[in-house]
Amino acid sequence: DAKTTQPPSMDCAEGRAANLPCNHSTISGNEYVYWYRQIHSQGPQYIIHGLKNNETNEMASLIITEDRKSSTLILPHATLRDTAVYYCIVRDDQKLVFGQGTRLTINP
Amino acid sequence: NAGVTQTPKFQVLKTGQSMTLQCAQDMNHNSMYWYRQDPGMGLRLIYYSASEGTTDKGEVPNGYNVSRLNKREFSLRLESAAPSQTSVYFCASTRTIIEPQHFGDGTRLSIL
Repeated sequence: DAKTTQPPSMDCAEGRAANLPCNHSTISGNEYVYWYRQIHSQGPQYIIHGLKNNETNEMASLIITEDRKSSTLILPHATLRDTAVYYCIVRDDQKLVFGQGTRLTINP
Repeated sequence: NAGVTQTPKFQVLKTGQSMTLQCAQDMNHNSMYWYRQDPGMGLRLIYYSASEGTTDKGEVPNGYNVSRLNKREFSLRLESAAPSQTSVYFCASTRTIIEPQHFGDGTRLSIL
């Protein structure tokens, strides 16, 4: 079973920041949080990952709470091409366990 | 940069036929993975290979076999295809288990 819970769907206006929440209350001290997205039926695309510090790259920012029980993925200026299913994943040993993710729709 | 290459992209089989799905990566990654994705669902791990010469079962291994042919290639075989195996199959690879996995574009398999 997935170690994370996410809302099934969210909407965001084009040009605004999209904030996607994720709960991972059972995460252990050495487990990373990974975010992937899947556009249409393409292969999942890696976005960002982190352990306990906030992270930023060219695609997004990842904010992890101090107790590490939840995190938020931020797409700072969402575009229509960001419409996708977003997966928040805590790795289970060798495996990435995908839940059902959040279907993010960017509206014009 | 090809990354992870899967062949074929589409395939239709009859029940009982056999089929091998091919996956190759050119990133010198150590670990490789096979997932399946059913409509409206997240990906589920079938088998993985942590390093060349090793393979292990994932969440849904029944009805499948794998071969880690060399460091680059990891194949998935259906010996006797069943309609329940109709799915999209994704291969992935990673250098270490901490680093992100890179995915191929998938093989869309229909079994009639």
